Amino acid sequence: LAKTTQPISMDSYEGQEVNITCSHNNIATNDYITWYQQFPSQGPRFIIQGYKTKVTNEVASLFIPADRKSSTLSLPRVSLSDTAVYYCLVVPPFSGGYNKLIFGAGTRLAVHP
Amino acid sequence: DSGVTQTPKHLITATGQRVTLRCSPRSGDLSVYWYQQSLDQGLQFLIQYYNGEERAKGNILERFSAQQFPDLHSELNLSSLELGDSALYFCASSQGGQETQYFGPGTRLLVL
Repeated sequence: LAKTTQPISMDSYEGQEVNITCSHNNIATNDYITWYQQFPSQGPRFIIQGYKTKVTNEVASLFIPADRKSSTLSLPRVSLSDTAVYYCLVVPPFSGGYNKLIFGAGTRLAVHP
Repeated sequence: DSGVTQTPKHLITATGQRVTLRCSPRSGDLSVYWYQQSLDQGLQFLIQYYNGEERAKGNILERFSAQQFPDLHSELNLSSLELGDSALYFCASSQGGQETQYFGPGTRLLVL
C-alpha cells in the first residue's frame, strides 16, 4: 500500500478556503485517493474519493494532477465546525472483499474565529 | 449517524480481564472492520471480516480475536488486558471491499 505524507497541522480562519495537500509518490495504477475527516472521540467520516483530475461534492473538492503522485483536498469557506483531523488514504480497488485502510497521522486543522 | 452501532460506549476493567466489544454494521453491508485508536499509535487497522470470513489482518495482537456472525454483526474479544490496551475501538462497515467505510461511534476502553 502506498505511503502518504501530509502536513501535521494547519491553521485557518472562518470563511477562508483551506487546501490540504497529500503526497503519495508510490501510488499504484489502480489505486484510489480517499479522504476522511475525524472529530475528537468520533469515528472517521468519509469526505471524498477520486482517481484522477477533479472531483467535487457538497462538502469538498479533490484535485489530482495527471501524475497522481499528490492530491489536494479543498474545503471552501471553512467554519469552526470544520476543525478536525483530515486523513489522506490510498486505497486499492476492490478485490475479493479485501479492503484494508492504512491511516497516517493526518492533518490537524484548526479553524479560528 | 453512520448507521453502524457499537456497544458498549464505555468500558472500564482491570488488567488481566477479558472483554467483548460488539458491532452491528449498516443494513446490507457485508464487511466489518475493527480499528484501534490510541494517543500514541493513531488509528490502527486490526482485522476485516467479509460475509463471515476473515479477509484481512492488520496489527492485531494474539490476545485479541474477532468473529462475524451469520447475521453479520461482529464481536471483538480482548483478553489478558494490559494498561496499554486502553484506547478507542472503532468498528466500520462497507458493502463489500472497495466501497466507502462507515465508522461507528466507538467503544472507549479503559484498563486500570
